[in-house]
Amino acid sequence: NAGVTQTPKFQVLKTGQSMTLQCAQDMNHEYMSWYRQDPGMGLRLIHYSVGAGITDQGEVPNGYNVSRSTTEDFPLRLLSAAPSQTSVYFCASSYRYEGVYEQYFGPGTRLTVT
Amino acid sequence: GQSLEQPSEVTAVEGAIVQINCTYQTSGFYGLSWYQQHDGGAPTFLSYNALDGLEETGRFSSFLSRSDSYGYLLLQELQMKDSASYFCAVSSLKAAGNKLTFGGGTRVLVKP
Repeated sequence: NAGVTQTPKFQVLKTGQSMTLQCAQDMNHEYMSWYRQDPGMGLRLIHYSVGAGITDQGEVPNGYNVSRSTTEDFPLRLLSAAPSQTSVYFCASSYRYEGVYEQYFGPGTRLTVT
Repeated sequence: GQSLEQPSEVTAVEGAIVQINCTYQTSGFYGLSWYQQHDGGAPTFLSYNALDGLEETGRFSSFLSRSDSYGYLLLQELQMKDSASYFCAVSSLKAAGNKLTFGGGTRVLVKP
């Protein structure tokens, strides 16, 4: 099993550009989520999904869109990049969503917006 | 809303014991979990408490008191490789499922 994979590993965008961060898992997990982590800080939840076709907002959803058409994939779209979105983005999945606690994280995407 | 508080940094020597406290405020509390993250790496799951008491996993133990909205992670027999950031996270119930909210993290520095 590859676990949770994320692409790209690094990305530089100019202000106003859009892009999609890819996330995939091969563990048949129902629950998937996106976090951002700013330097020296904890992880903040952007969006999450409890199954294909079901998504919900986390604590910092503005400027991001998600969709979940399959169990395996959960892409994160930046609509119009801003310097404030410079961060490390982690995708995570969990085998259960009731009392979710053990999440498996991908390696992260380091995004810089200039 | 939800909030979690944990110390920002702890320094200890090899072989010592470190306790990282976490206090939380949340509605619909389901459980408290702990994650470890080395610099440049991804968080990895360490332990979870849904009920009051102590859970032991090797050198690491985690404790929860639901009535006090408090938990801690105990790192015993510290090793250099334990230098990392440690995050507490609360699971809470929400209409469409659950979500996990993380604290700001405690950076543990282990010295020889």
